[in-house]
Amino acid sequence: GQQVMQIPQYQHVQEGEDFTTYCNSSTTLSNIQWYKQRPGGHPVFLIQLVKSGEVKKQKRLTFQFGEAKKNSSLHITATQTTDVGTYFCAGSGGSQGNLIFGKGTKLSVKP
Amino acid sequence: SQTIHQWPATLVQPVGSPLSLECTVEGTSNPNLYWYRQAAGRGLQLLFYSVGIGQISSEVPQNLSASRPQDRQFILSSKKLLLSDSGFYLCAWSGLTVNNEQFFGPGTRLTVL
Repeated sequence: GQQVMQIPQYQHVQEGEDFTTYCNSSTTLSNIQWYKQRPGGHPVFLIQLVKSGEVKKQKRLTFQFGEAKKNSSLHITATQTTDVGTYFCAGSGGSQGNLIFGKGTKLSVKP
Repeated sequence: SQTIHQWPATLVQPVGSPLSLECTVEGTSNPNLYWYRQAAGRGLQLLFYSVGIGQISSEVPQNLSASRPQDRQFILSSKKLLLSDSGFYLCAWSGLTVNNEQFFGPGTRLTVL
């Protein structure tokens, strides 16, 4: 069945450093979504990418969808302590297919 | 605006006891509803989803069950809890198709002793 792999599992950075998490699917995706879960909280939707090669930015966050629609990345420039949390990608093979979540990347930021 | 509620927020139950977790959504009609479980420090495991009243799809065989008695109500149940049922239970909803963005409730933290 469809699998969504996410790496790394953990990332520890110094405040001000950049951070990237990668998401790879075993099959072509119709869309890719990114969520952020703060410690003790619930996942919150960040963004959805639909088009091949799409790039979207939200302030210091840059999201990319691969040309083959099988991979995606989230890059955070100059991390801040408020970026702490677990970032999940989630992909679907189509409108009839449920979202498959990656296992997440847990980001910790040392001030 | 749409809101999603879950209760209770935390629950401690003995092994073998029953379970009932409730999720309700406000401000939308015909939502797709989901139950996830998240073990400590782990990813999201989809347990059940529902595209309409009385329609339940199970993703993982287990001793849990789900029901949707009303359009905006989703219930997760168990007749006898196991230690392995401990975890963070999240309810979510989405509109239109099941691959749309999902909006999560605050979750229920269940500890089975």
